[in-house]
Amino acid sequence: GAGVSQSPSNKVTEKGKDVELRCDPISGHTALYWYRQSLGQGLEFLIYFQGNSAPDKSGLPSDRFSAERTGGSVSTLTIQRTQQEDSAVYLCASSLLADTQYFGPGTRLTVL
Amino acid sequence: QQQVKQSPQSLIVQKGGISIINCAYENTAFDYFPWYQQFPGKGPALLIAIRPDVSEKKEGRFTISFNKSAKQFSLHIMDSQPGDSATYFCAAKASGYSTLTFGKGTMLLVSP
Repeated sequence: GAGVSQSPSNKVTEKGKDVELRCDPISGHTALYWYRQSLGQGLEFLIYFQGNSAPDKSGLPSDRFSAERTGGSVSTLTIQRTQQEDSAVYLCASSLLADTQYFGPGTRLTVL
Repeated sequence: QQQVKQSPQSLIVQKGGISIINCAYENTAFDYFPWYQQFPGKGPALLIAIRPDVSEKKEGRFTISFNKSAKQFSLHIMDSQPGDSATYFCAAKASGYSTLTFGKGTMLLVSP
C-alpha cells in the first residue's frame, strides 16, 4: 500500500510567519512520530502519538511548536512565529509494531 | 545517557570494499538497535536491526555486530557498491519506550 506522505515537500517562509506541515501515515498505523533533521545533527525527536493516548511532547524545542493528530490518522505540525533556526527537514514516521518506523520523504522548511 | 554516538561522520570506500560504521551507547536499558539508510531527498528506511540476545545478524551484504559488554554495535557492508552511497543512521530504543534515539549519521560514498 501507500507509504507515509508529507506535504508540502518544500516550504519557504519569512521569519515570524506561522507554518503548518502535514503528515498522512500508513493506513492502520496507530503510532505517529515527528522528527527534525538538521544538517549534520541527525534526527531529533519532536513528538509521538499513540492511538488515543496523550501525546509525548517531550522533544518539542519550544512552545512555538505544536502538533495534533485528528481521528487517529492525519497529523499537523505547527510552528508559530518561525525563526531562522527552525530551518530543517521535518520528517514524519508511523508504525504499527512498536519497533519498525516507516518514514515519509520529509518537508524541507526554509525560514528567510 | 540517552545519546548514541556514531562514527565516522563520513566514509569513502572503494567499490568491492568493506564499509564499517560504529555506534556506542551508555543507556543499558536500550534493547533494540536498528540501522536506517537514507538517500538524498528521501526519508530514512529501516535497513537491519538487532536485539541484545544475539551478537551478530546478517542480511545479505549487511551485518550488524553487537558487543553488549562494550555497549557498542556496528554496521558492516560487504562488497560495497556505488548504490550503497547514502547516509546511514544507527539508533536505539529502550524497553518500554517507543521513541528512537538516533546517531548523527554517517555519509558513505562508494567510489566506482
